[in-house]
Amino acid sequence: DAKTTQPNSMESNEEEPVHLPCNHSTISGTDYIHWYRQLPSQGPEYVIHGLTSNVNNRMASLAIAEDRKSSTLILHRATLRDAAVYYCILRDGIPGNTGKLIFGQGTTLQVKP
Amino acid sequence: KAGVTQTPRYLIKTRGQQVTLSCSPISGHRSVSWYQQTPGQGLQFLFEYFSETQRNKGNFPGRFSGRQFSNSRSEMNVSTLELGDSALYLCASSRDFSSGANVLTFGAGSRLTVL
Repeated sequence: DAKTTQPNSMESNEEEPVHLPCNHSTISGTDYIHWYRQLPSQGPEYVIHGLTSNVNNRMASLAIAEDRKSSTLILHRATLRDAAVYYCILRDGIPGNTGKLIFGQGTTLQVKP
Repeated sequence: KAGVTQTPRYLIKTRGQQVTLSCSPISGHRSVSWYQQTPGQGLQFLFEYFSETQRNKGNFPGRFSGRQFSNSRSEMNVSTLELGDSALYLCASSRDFSSGANVLTFGAGSRLTVL
């Protein structure tokens, strides 16, 4: 299973953009890049995913490097509610293979008012 | 629409007992997977079910088992509980299990404390 590397923690000020990096140098051509976050006392929550192109949704943007060996989750304006542990996960895209998620330690994001 | 429902939310057991946790997936979702979360090990995959068949199993002892019913609801069972089984047990559902683009929706979890 391909692995991801994330910083243990990051800090941001409220209403400022946040860039959360993720390295995945052993990514295969069929791996999707997924981001989930876990707020205190809750289960993980889907944020965004992509394969090769940059992606935007109402929660965040995902910027994927051209060689796909790294990606960045972008929160455009951090709020206090965005304080959470953010997980970058590679998901095997070969049909018939397992759908399990392999979670690393994630990045704990602290948002200061 | 209703999310993933896990019951019970909290429970306390003693060593040697067994426990059964239940998960009701989102309507229309046929895949259910289970994860264990502890402070030391983080989130670890337990099992994955699709159409009542176990598709994959994580690296846990045989005391951990699960099943899925025809209505996609799932249960997991832990027998002969040990102190180290104290954890948050999370269930996630999705439409299928094998697409890399597939998104999981997690429940709030069942917090198990073993005394």
